[in-house]
Amino acid sequence: EVQLVESGGGLVNPGGSLRLSCEASGLSFSYAWMRWVRQAPGKGLEWVGRIKSIGDGGTTDYAAPVKGRFTISRDDSKNTLWLQMNSLRTDDTAVYYCTTDIDGSPGLWGQGTMVTVSS
Amino acid sequence: DVVMTQSPLSLPVTLGQPASISCRSSQSLVYSDGNTYLSWFHQRPGQSPRRLIYKISNRDSGVPDRFSGSGSGTDFTLKISRVEAEDVGVYYCMQGTHWWTFGQGTKVEIK
Repeated sequence: EVQLVESGGGLVNPGGSLRLSCEASGLSFSYAWMRWVRQAPGKGLEWVGRIKSIGDGGTTDYAAPVKGRFTISRDDSKNTLWLQMNSLRTDDTAVYYCTTDIDGSPGLWGQGTMVTVSS
Repeated sequence: DVVMTQSPLSLPVTLGQPASISCRSSQSLVYSDGNTYLSWFHQRPGQSPRRLIYKISNRDSGVPDRFSGSGSGTDFTLKISRVEAEDVGVYYCMQGTHWWTFGQGTKVEIK
């Protein structure tokens, strides 16, 4: 079965850090361009960032609200994607989804992991 | 940034009747490779989004044929030929031509 499973969410104080993981199975992870998408409570979907496959350079891009604070990385030997989140703010509170690029958009989504930034 | 504008934002529908959602982009979504990266997603309460349509009109595997996508350039439409109870939830359009941007979402509910 093809699936993405996120973990690592939780409650963190403003200014704190958190690292999310996404484990992939059933797909050729090393060839996949991976992204993180978030959804604040009761709100819409927002792209967070992307990492290309290593074969395509492995470069990363980030949405403006998280640039300089969030870092995406991957380990193809473990079929795992990470999102390192630093200097967290209350407006980073959201469900964070791991997704894959298929035909130019997220064709596969994980179940999401909730991040709550609050004192 | 490309802005995606959906209408309506709320859509009460009658079971068995058709429904239609519009999505407009602030600039053309035709990419340099000739493709138009416009997708549609459905999200049921408490669930992850699921892609229904990619590149304007291509249905994902397992998506019922009552769902169809159309449009070009900056104007796009998702149609449901006959609404079923399982179709309730929020529908999002998304452009993947200029990075990624999602529409605000359209909430579909049964009258």
